Amino acid sequence: AQSVTQLGSHVSVSEGALVLLRCNYSSSVPPYLFWYVQYPNQGLQLLLKYTSAATLVKGINGFEAEFKKSETSFHLTKPSAHMSDAAEYFCAVSDPWGTGFQKLVFGTGTRLLVSP
Amino acid sequence: GAGVSQSPSNKVTEKGKDVELRCDPISGHTALYWYRQSLGQGLEFLIYFQGNSAPDKSGLPSDRFSAERTGGSVSTLTIQRTQQEDSAVYLCASSPGGGGGRNEQFFGPGTRLTVL
Repeated sequence: AQSVTQLGSHVSVSEGALVLLRCNYSSSVPPYLFWYVQYPNQGLQLLLKYTSAATLVKGINGFEAEFKKSETSFHLTKPSAHMSDAAEYFCAVSDPWGTGFQKLVFGTGTRLLVSP
Repeated sequence: GAGVSQSPSNKVTEKGKDVELRCDPISGHTALYWYRQSLGQGLEFLIYFQGNSAPDKSGLPSDRFSAERTGGSVSTLTIQRTQQEDSAVYLCASSPGGGGGRNEQFFGPGTRLTVL
């Protein structure tokens, strides 16, 4: 069964510092990978996704992630944190085959705290 | 255009009562998913619909949970004889048809269910 592991339930950074949120996946074949963000009392919003094209994926709000098969990782980064980035971030995986509909399997989430 | 909407936004009920949660997907989206977000279990898949049929009900935690979708649009998640462990945020998502796991799922704001 597929799974994702997010290291660190909380990550604290200063405004302007590098953001690095870690995600490792477990799958027999390279899956599709997603990063979602959740602001308080809101649903999930897609930041970016990897679907077997370019390994470096750029998303919204200045975030990017790199798919590394050798490390089974899909870490999320942003060069300079902004106060508005404070939220919870979820890494998710889905199966890469077929044309049907695929559920997402989520990690446990990482809460990003940004201090002035 | 309008996103995924869910109602009610908050629901407080007494243990043993039945509740219905509603999801209105994005118009034209053929796939509809239900997830549950709770402190102890994180984000977990419940059920998905392809049109009006539910090929995958594997995530429903017990036979007290059921869901239906009519007209390929609105979906209702019903929880019978609610228990305190059912307290969670129930999230609905929709996505376009085809494309397999690469499709983005668009999430609603969720329904926060509290069972007293």
